[in-house]
Amino acid sequence: DIQMTQSPSSLSAFVGDRVTITCRASQTISSYLNWYQQKPRKAPKLLIYAASSLQSGVPSRFSGSGSGTDFTLTISSLQPEDFATYYCQQSYSVPSITFGQGTRLEIK
Amino acid sequence: QVQLQESGPGLVKPSQTLSLTCSVSGDSINSGNYYWSWIRQHPGKGLEWIGYMHNSGISYYNPSLKSRVTISLDTSKNQFSLRLSSVTAADTAIYYCARRALIQVRSGAFDIWGQGTMVTVSS
Repeated sequence: DIQMTQSPSSLSAFVGDRVTITCRASQTISSYLNWYQQKPRKAPKLLIYAASSLQSGVPSRFSGSGSGTDFTLTISSLQPEDFATYYCQQSYSVPSITFGQGTRLEIK
Repeated sequence: QVQLQESGPGLVKPSQTLSLTCSVSGDSINSGNYYWSWIRQHPGKGLEWIGYMHNSGISYYNPSLKSRVTISLDTSKNQFSLRLSSVTAADTAIYYCARRALIQVRSGAFDIWGQGTMVTVSS
């Protein structure tokens, strides 16, 4: 099975900061990597698919990059509504799917 | 606007079968463009894929749950269902239904999610 490891597990940042979250796959997954945002007591929301494509309706301050085994999610200027938990998910090894363990982004 | 809504008992006794239904509006589960999926989240934990099904009849399940899981589609009601047998306390979780894109469309991402329903396994 492909393992997905996110770092850091948690981080604190100020509104306006630029933030980067990393996701590493245990083997190459090409660009079959998706990112989700989950706010407390809410369902996850798709942000980025295919490593770098912005889902419709998602603010442009969110961006994704990477291929192979290393990927990043960047928020260019944190807004109050961005404080949440972020998950990566690989869909390379279909039918099996795996999520990262999550990165909790908190207000400093 | 596509919406998914889970329904089912919030409390299930150990050894019994957990049954949930996901009602879909704004899209047809018979369109062939998506897989219809279940994902769960243990309290305070990460996301765990349970399985998904296509209207062609193809279904895939997480190997760790495969012996206990069945997903089915009811195209007449535009709903799909999850059955998880022989439940234990370890199956206590929030259960989400979700629409998963074909791999060539949106990299197999889960693009629409239900709000989730908490299921507790307890006697």
